[in-house]
Formats: sequence, C-alpha cells, structure tokens
Amino acid sequence: GDSVTQMEGPVTLSEEAFLTINCTYTATGYPSLFWYVQYPGEGLQLLLKATKADDKGSNKGFEATYRKETTSFHLEKGSVQVSDSAVYFCALSEGSSNTGKLIFGQGTTLQVKP
Amino acid sequence: GAVVSQHPSRVICKSGTSVKIECRSLDFQATTMFWYRQFPKKSLMLMATSNEGSKATYEQGVEKDKFLINHASLTLSTLTVTSAHPEDSSFYICSGRAPSGGYTFGSGTRLTVV
Repeated sequence: GDSVTQMEGPVTLSEEAFLTINCTYTATGYPSLFWYVQYPGEGLQLLLKATKADDKGSNKGFEATYRKETTSFHLEKGSVQVSDSAVYFCALSEGSSNTGKLIFGQGTTLQVKP
Repeated sequence: GAVVSQHPSRVICKSGTSVKIECRSLDFQATTMFWYRQFPKKSLMLMATSNEGSKATYEQGVEKDKFLINHASLTLSTLTVTSAHPEDSSFYICSGRAPSGGYTFGSGTRLTVV
C-alpha cells in the first residue's frame, strides 16, 4: 500500500540555520502531498501542499517541491526561528481512490535553539 | 473557514468506563470525517473513516466494537471508546474533508485511562 517515510528526528538547529526535512513516498496513482505541523499540545495544521508533479508548495518561509522522479517532497526553510519548533508530518492522500485517506509519515521533531 | 471543533481536549477516565469524543464541523458540512490515533512520539494512525448516514469503515486491526463511531449528521461525528483500558490512553484526532478538498483537523483529545 501507499506509504510515507520521513527522516528520523529530533532535528536540533540554531536560530537562522537552514532546514531540510526529507520525505519520500511510495504510491500507486498520483497522490497529493502535504506537510503538516503540530505545535506542542495542539492539533495538526496544514503547512503547505502540492497536488501534482513539479508543483512547489510554500508558506511561512517553508517550501517543498513535488518530485515524481525521486518520489520525494522534502521540506526546506532558509532561516528557522525558535517559533518553528514543532513536529512536522509529511503526508499523502491516496490518488487512486476516492476514500480521501491521508497517510502520514512518522513525524520529525524540530528543535530550534536561540 | 473550514474549522473542526473537537471536544473534550483532555479526559481522564477510570478503567472499564466509556468515553465519548465529539468532532464538529463548524462552518461546512462534512460528509466524511477521519479518526486518527497518535501514540507518543509516533505518527498518526488512521483508525476509521466516518461517513454521514452510514456505517464507518475501520482500518485493519481496529476493533469496531471497542471504538464506536457515529456520524449522525453532516456536522457531527463521535468516537466512543468503550470499556476503556490503560492501553487505550492516547491522543485522538479527528479530521474533516472541507468543500475545497483540503483536510481540517481538530485540536485533539488526550485520553488517559487510570
């Protein structure tokens, strides 16, 4: 079945450092890809998404490009802030069915130190 | 727009009792809602897909008699954990599929069974 794999965390960075969180997927059909963020004690919030190959999703300085050839959707940010500390989830929605299910990666915890 | 309200945010119950978690779509009609369970430091695992007016679809390995899902209206889905045990302690999150096609998550319910 479809699956999502993220790099293991935690990732610890200093403020203003460059961030990359790797995400790869396996899927039949043409899934949409998402990054969600979960701040401590809260639910998930959509950070960005891409619905087809070569699309770039971006929001709040974060961006990710849907790479079909490498089945990847890596999350990047040029300069992280302490407020970016959270858990980040890569996810896909199954494109080959109408169930609308989201399949999540295992999550990557990001800690940004001042 | 597309807000999902989930209650309660935290609940502590005694072993053997039942707990109901509500998930409401506040400004849209959700014909489909999803229920996820999140273990500490783990990803979200889809438990079931809740369909308005029909029976929920459970993922493999999820006990339908233990996790009762009711989706009686277009704005309300409930998850009842019956005869709860300490191993049911977890973070439960619901998600609604908005008219735009995106997914909106509730803020989650932290269940502790003592």
